[in-house]
Amino acid sequence: QLQLQESGPGLVKPSETLSLTCTVSGGSISSSIYYWGWIRQPPGKGLEWIGSIYYSGSTFHNPSLMSRVTISVDTSKNQFSLKLSSVTAADTAVYFCARTAVDSSWAFDYWGQGTLVTVSS
Amino acid sequence: SSELTQDPAVSVALGQTVRITCQGDSLRNYYVSWYQQKLGQAPVLVIYGKNNRPSGIPDRFSVSSSGNTASLTITGAQAEDEADYYCNSRDSSGNHLLFGGGTKLTVL
Repeated sequence: QLQLQESGPGLVKPSETLSLTCTVSGGSISSSIYYWGWIRQPPGKGLEWIGSIYYSGSTFHNPSLMSRVTISVDTSKNQFSLKLSSVTAADTAVYFCARTAVDSSWAFDYWGQGTLVTVSS
Repeated sequence: SSELTQDPAVSVALGQTVRITCQGDSLRNYYVSWYQQKLGQAPVLVIYGKNNRPSGIPDRFSVSSSGNTASLTITGAQAEDEADYYCNSRDSSGNHLLFGGGTKLTVL
């Protein structure tokens, strides 16, 4: 059974960089038929797609966040990571990692449990 | 358009049928996926593609589409279906992914 697990600091200071890692177990991140993505959800609000990465390193991002987002992959560790720079209180959210099938639906079929990141001094 | 629009809240009587809609220009060209999210939990994929349900999702969940509107139908809603539902698809360019704002379903 595929599992995804987010990890990283739960508290980040304003203007600093948020860094999270998603560890994939029970399957290979190097599969040719999946992208791996980050989605966030501010408290009490809806879901927002941040960006996704292929095992080769090819990425695509939400245009509204693109200038601050870096997504990378480490196939040797079966992990992918998110960096979000210059954070503000508006970046406080639960951050999820998820798998996306590269097909006509682009559905997120497996999700991590999510990790709350609070931006505060 | 770079938006997917959902009604904020919908209610249904136990055992009745409810439709949750998602509107967006990109839906004329791309499939919609639907997710169920209960309080404090990660979203769960319930429907994707033409009308595909992941293993373990009851067949009372189905989808339909017309023009720029996609609909998730729950036939015979159960108490455990009370949750937030989100639609997800690509934007009009096809190069980015979007989520709708979510619909809170209450089962009365």
